[in-house]
Amino acid sequence: EAGVVQSPRYKIIEKKQPVAFWCNPISGHNTLYWYLQNLGQGPELLIRYENEEAVDDSQLPKDRFSAERLKGVDSTLKIQPAELGDSAVYLCASSLETGVQFFGPGTRLTVL
Amino acid sequence: DAKTTQPTSMDCAEGRAANLPCNHSTISGNEYVYWYRQIHSQGPQYIIHGLKNNETNEMASLIITEDRKSSTLILPHATLRDTAVYYCIVTSRGAAGNKLTFGGGTRVLVKP
Repeated sequence: EAGVVQSPRYKIIEKKQPVAFWCNPISGHNTLYWYLQNLGQGPELLIRYENEEAVDDSQLPKDRFSAERLKGVDSTLKIQPAELGDSAVYLCASSLETGVQFFGPGTRLTVL
Repeated sequence: DAKTTQPTSMDCAEGRAANLPCNHSTISGNEYVYWYRQIHSQGPQYIIHGLKNNETNEMASLIITEDRKSSTLILPHATLRDTAVYYCIVTSRGAAGNKLTFGGGTRVLVKP
């Protein structure tokens, strides 16, 4: 069974540019999560979706970050404009409603 | 969710059992203990979880004390590929989904 797929794996951009990350969850998983992981720290939740609905976006910096999960499957996380401090790994995870979360490999973003 | 305390780092010998402790003295009755690990440049990987009883799967065993204030993850025969950061997380499960709050984890180095 395929795991959580994320793309791209690596992205280098200049500050003030936009960037988008894509996630395809495990088939049948209705809950999708985006996490941010800074170097040397554990992941931190940005947003959680149940199907198409964002049910917890309290930690998402809404001035520059946005996310969508159209049709309740794939999801996109966008940053516009990117800042130097956004350099980090962006992780996507999915689960059944109250099940174990399975993580993708992450996208490593470098903002120059 | 209850906070956990883990050693910052530990070494273990290849082929020997690795015992990873975790303190969660403020755990409440409906909270589970989850263990994840993160190998360098990969997303977190689910290992095991439990509520009260000891649990075992193909990867590890989880021993939870009777008062549930601490637990130990046991890797029965550590290999070099088990070198990773191990996270102990306490969270409730329910309709709201699992909320995973990662701490700093334990950096485990398996040595030949």
